[in-house]
Amino acid sequence: KNEVEQSPQNLTAQEGEFITINCSYSVGISALHWLQQHPGGGIVSLFMLSSGKKKHGRLIATINIQEKHSSLHITASHPRDSAVYICAVRGSGGGADGLTFGKGTHLIIQP
Amino acid sequence: EAQVTQNPRYLITVTGKKLTVTCSQNMNHEYMSWYRQDPGLGLRQIYYSMNVEVTDKGDVPEGYKVSRKEKRNFPLILESPSPNQTSLYFCASSPRTGGLYIQYFGAGTRLSVL
Repeated sequence: KNEVEQSPQNLTAQEGEFITINCSYSVGISALHWLQQHPGGGIVSLFMLSSGKKKHGRLIATINIQEKHSSLHITASHPRDSAVYICAVRGSGGGADGLTFGKGTHLIIQP
Repeated sequence: EAQVTQNPRYLITVTGKKLTVTCSQNMNHEYMSWYRQDPGLGLRQIYYSMNVEVTDKGDVPEGYKVSRKEKRNFPLILESPSPNQTSLYFCASSPRTGGLYIQYFGAGTRLSVL
């Protein structure tokens, strides 16, 4: 079973800073997801990627398949970016069609 | 508006009293899934469904049942709830195979079993 590790667990930064959240996994995958969970508890999917890089607004997600590593970057961070960011992977083999989740990175952006 | 709707949002119950958490999506998605989220453990998959009448176990299926009689609905049934099922539950859907498409999540159901 894949092990998904996120770092850091907690991150506090000032508004405007460039933010990087990391995700490492132990076994080859077919896809990686980044999710955002707001303080109210709701979960939103940000990205699904299997190679390269994706960008949406101030958010950028990259993945390095060979190194089994992905990063989520936030440029010009804002207090509304404060949330828990969760990485999840789908295995490349057969079996259960589920996602394995990291424990999340709790991000606080201070004004 | 495209959405996944869960009900109820909050539920307090007692050990052994059967309950059902409903989940409905209006996007004609084939894939639906139930997750639970616990402090320190993150999200874990309970059951999933690839299509109508097709369901399978996830990582933590013990104590739960599901059914998929219609494409839009995927209820989660706790036949005899126990305190270790106190958790935050999420339903999600995606167009097809869950891991290869963006998933859309419901707002969550916070369950307390006393």
